[in-house]
Amino acid sequence: VYLLESGGSLVQPGGSLRLSCVASGFTFSSYAMTWVRQAPGKGLEWVAGITASGSGTYYADSVHGRFTVSRDNSQTTLYLQMKNLRAEDTALYYCAKIPDNNWYFWLDHWGQGTLVTVSS
Amino acid sequence: EIVLTQSPGTLSLSPGERATVSCRASQSIKRNSLAWYQQKFGQAPRLLIYDVSTRAAGIPDRFSGSGSGTDFTLTISRLEPEDFAVYYCQQYDSIVLTFGGGTKVEFK
Repeated sequence: VYLLESGGSLVQPGGSLRLSCVASGFTFSSYAMTWVRQAPGKGLEWVAGITASGSGTYYADSVHGRFTVSRDNSQTTLYLQMKNLRAEDTALYYCAKIPDNNWYFWLDHWGQGTLVTVSS
Repeated sequence: EIVLTQSPGTLSLSPGERATVSCRASQSIKRNSLAWYQQKFGQAPRLLIYDVSTRAAGIPDRFSGSGSGTDFTLTISRLEPEDFAVYYCQQYDSIVLTFGGGTKVEFK
């Protein structure tokens, strides 16, 4: 299993960014996926989850209405579209695989993360 | 949302000693839906244990998990040098996943 995130960068408050996570080594379309973030020096915070088919999504209250998780199973890629970014969204964003087709399970494989910095 | 509170925040121990990390949930976790992760500095978290007490593939048997309801424990029976890291619990009893705040196991 290999997960490679990209798309992180420095962005101004109120800006937008799209993160990607390319997956390999497993049947991507059979498993739910999730995004987890970690602010500098802080703990882990779950951000969003998506079912294997992409038909179901759910978000943490802190990002609901601003972030959208999606996936392209034909390209084995997970996305996180982030809008109206705030300073408190500054974090390392990890994508992680779930060992089921729904997201409310443990996270059995993680990528190395992509850094998002929101600052003027 | 289920809030997970870990204690202690930091555990100062020597190699060979036993480490015990606690994770308390704000409400009962009904389906044994609790996992533990290890995170070393500069690395992504790694799954150690799921369903309270099942070790993930390749995890040494010095790591064990126990508990039920609202109180859960991760035990490292004899610390190896590579075990000094931060440990997180995570619940998946609800559709909103949550993590504990982390426990750092450091060299004494």
